[in-house]
Amino acid sequence: SQQGEEDPQALSIQEGENATMNCSYKTSINNLQWYRQNSGRGLVHLILIRSNEREKHSGRLRVTLDTSKKSSSLLITASRAADTASYFCATFVSPGANSKLTFGKGITLSVRP
Amino acid sequence: DVKVTQSSRYLVKRTGEKVFLECVQDMDHENMFWYRQDPGLGLRLIYFSYDVKMKEKGDIPEGYSVSREKKERFSLILESASTNQTSMYLCASSRFGQGAKGYTFGSGTRLTVV
Repeated sequence: SQQGEEDPQALSIQEGENATMNCSYKTSINNLQWYRQNSGRGLVHLILIRSNEREKHSGRLRVTLDTSKKSSSLLITASRAADTASYFCATFVSPGANSKLTFGKGITLSVRP
Repeated sequence: DVKVTQSSRYLVKRTGEKVFLECVQDMDHENMFWYRQDPGLGLRLIYFSYDVKMKEKGDIPEGYSVSREKKERFSLILESASTNQTSMYLCASSRFGQGAKGYTFGSGTRLTVV
C-alpha cells in the first residue's frame, strides 16, 4: 500500500533553476525521507526529517514538513544536469522491530544542460 | 565503504525455474528488505526480516519466499518463476528500529522471466 504520493510525476527544468517536488501522505508518521535513484540503479538516501521538525537543509537540498497538511517538499537549488534522476519520498510510521518504510511512486526529474 | 551487494545485475530465467536472488550487507544491520520496482507502481515491499531466521510478509509476498540464515545475508526465492515476476528487485538494509540514517540499497537485479 502506498503511503506517500509525489507530485508532479515528472519535472523538466533548465540547469541552474530550482526544482521543487512535493509529497503527500495519509497517516501520522515518525519521519519522512527522500531518496534518489539514477536510471537502472538502487536508491540512495538523501535526507530525513522527523515529525517534530519543520525544515532541514543538506547542501543544495531543502526539505520541509507540514504535519498538519500531511505534506513535504524537496527543493533542489541551482540544479545541475547530474541531478537528473527519479526522486522518492518514503514515510516511516513508527519505530519498532518490524517497522518499515513505505515509498511513493517517484518523480522523474530531468535537468537540461 | 559500507554497502549492500546484490549478486547479479541482470538475470534471465525460464518460466517454472526456481530462482534465487542473493543480498549481502556488511554493515551489521538487523533489518533487511526485498522490494520490487515496476514502472508506474513504484517500490512494493515483498518481504522483510528484522533478525536472523525471522521474516515478515510485505505487501506482495505471493509467489515469493525468503531465507535469512545469517545476519548479513537475505535471499529472495521465486519458487516457480512466472513472466509477471519480470521486474527490478531491490534489496535494502537498515539498523534496528529503522534508525536515523534511512535504508541502504543495493544496485538492484533486473530479472527477466521468459
